Amino acid sequence: EAQVTQNPRYLITVTGKKLTVTCSQNMNHEYMSWYRQDPGLGLRQIYYSMNVEVTDKGDVPEGYKVSRKEKRNFPLILESPSPNQTSLYFCASSQDRRNYGYTFGSGTRLTVV
Amino acid sequence: DAKTTQPPSMDCAEGRAANLPCNHSTISGNEYVYWYRQIHSQGPQYIIHGLKNNETNEMASLIITEDRKSSTLILPHATLRDTAVYYCIVRSGSRLTFGEGTQLTVNP
Repeated sequence: EAQVTQNPRYLITVTGKKLTVTCSQNMNHEYMSWYRQDPGLGLRQIYYSMNVEVTDKGDVPEGYKVSRKEKRNFPLILESPSPNQTSLYFCASSQDRRNYGYTFGSGTRLTVV
Repeated sequence: DAKTTQPPSMDCAEGRAANLPCNHSTISGNEYVYWYRQIHSQGPQYIIHGLKNNETNEMASLIITEDRKSSTLILPHATLRDTAVYYCIVRSGSRLTFGEGTQLTVNP
């Protein structure tokens, strides 16, 4: 089944403890992206990647890192999480720049205490 | 990417057509119109997209005006499961910028 898989689905962590949220897609998509969703602020893009080894900042990149060493994986790294990074995170992938829809993962609900 | 404007909420009776409008008056010639929906806190789901012609798939129809400054998503026979937030997005590159969307509530 074609899908975007995020792990974990739920995570509670403490301030400053490095964590990684994994994202993997099995559709051979070039484009991948991370979003966070917060009440009243909607979905905001954190980082995106147009292909292997090509990443760029979205609208809210501060406090996050990403890597794209292989096509299928696009992990989101929080080096030193803070409570304001408590959010619902979504990974998404797409085959083409403009003429293809993004497929989203099921989300990761992160709580930083 | 061009900005979109959608009504914050709409209601629809079950079994009737739901027509969701979107204004994108600053759209440029190479930008596509995309529609997604999000049910509760699930990942957004792709519905349909188009450039300038009307489009139809198994989920919905997309009507784009001739000047491309607005569009309408049509769910022909809305069901309770179509209750969701619907996002209209104009996309020119790899970025997808979500606005506030329209909360569609389908009533029995």
